[in-house]
Amino acid sequence: KNEVEQSPQNLTAQEGEFITINCSYSVGISALHWLQQHPGGGIVSLFMLSSGKKKHGRLIATINIQEKHSSLHITASHPRDSAVYICAVINGNQFYFGTGTSLTVIP
Amino acid sequence: DGGITQSPKYLFRKEGQNVTLSCEQNLNHDAMYWYRQDPGQGLRLIYYSQIVNDFQKGDIAEGYSVSREKKESFPLTVTSAQKNPTAFYLCASSPQGADTQYFGPGTRLTVL
Repeated sequence: KNEVEQSPQNLTAQEGEFITINCSYSVGISALHWLQQHPGGGIVSLFMLSSGKKKHGRLIATINIQEKHSSLHITASHPRDSAVYICAVINGNQFYFGTGTSLTVIP
Repeated sequence: DGGITQSPKYLFRKEGQNVTLSCEQNLNHDAMYWYRQDPGQGLRLIYYSQIVNDFQKGDIAEGYSVSREKKESFPLTVTSAQKNPTAFYLCASSPQGADTQYFGPGTRLTVL
């Protein structure tokens, strides 16, 4: 059983659409990360959050600690948003990673 | 420029050969990590080190070895005992006790 589950696994959207990626986890956490991995493979951290909501440009991340659930939203999606989005949770010294959501935004 | 470097980006080896992947950071981070990424799977922890001259096994350490002789460097050796070494390998680092990790660009290893 995975400690972190993401949905959907794959997502194709038209440019301009509103996108939601979901993450559920089963362990206690001190923080949750949303990561972005581009086709070249490098990973960058988009958000780290432990409660509430954060916004950066067209990206919004929310977390509900009681329900052990987080969502990543992308407004007005663009082809350059095409990437794999990974949810990761931190429990003590241990990081647990979801399998990722592969997003393709079509012009 | 502060950051994490991994080299090379692509690496090819014959089956049965040991190979060492490089990871260097100049962020002055205490902790360093090695992950393996396979298609359709989340990142899996191979080894981590929280301080120089000390390291611990992660979830999939069999067939791998590491050393941490310097704070800046955490090389990973993929030995011939690793049954399925072809994968994408990511190195990361973090300040001690921090909730965030900084990732290198990765090395894609293909064993022929």
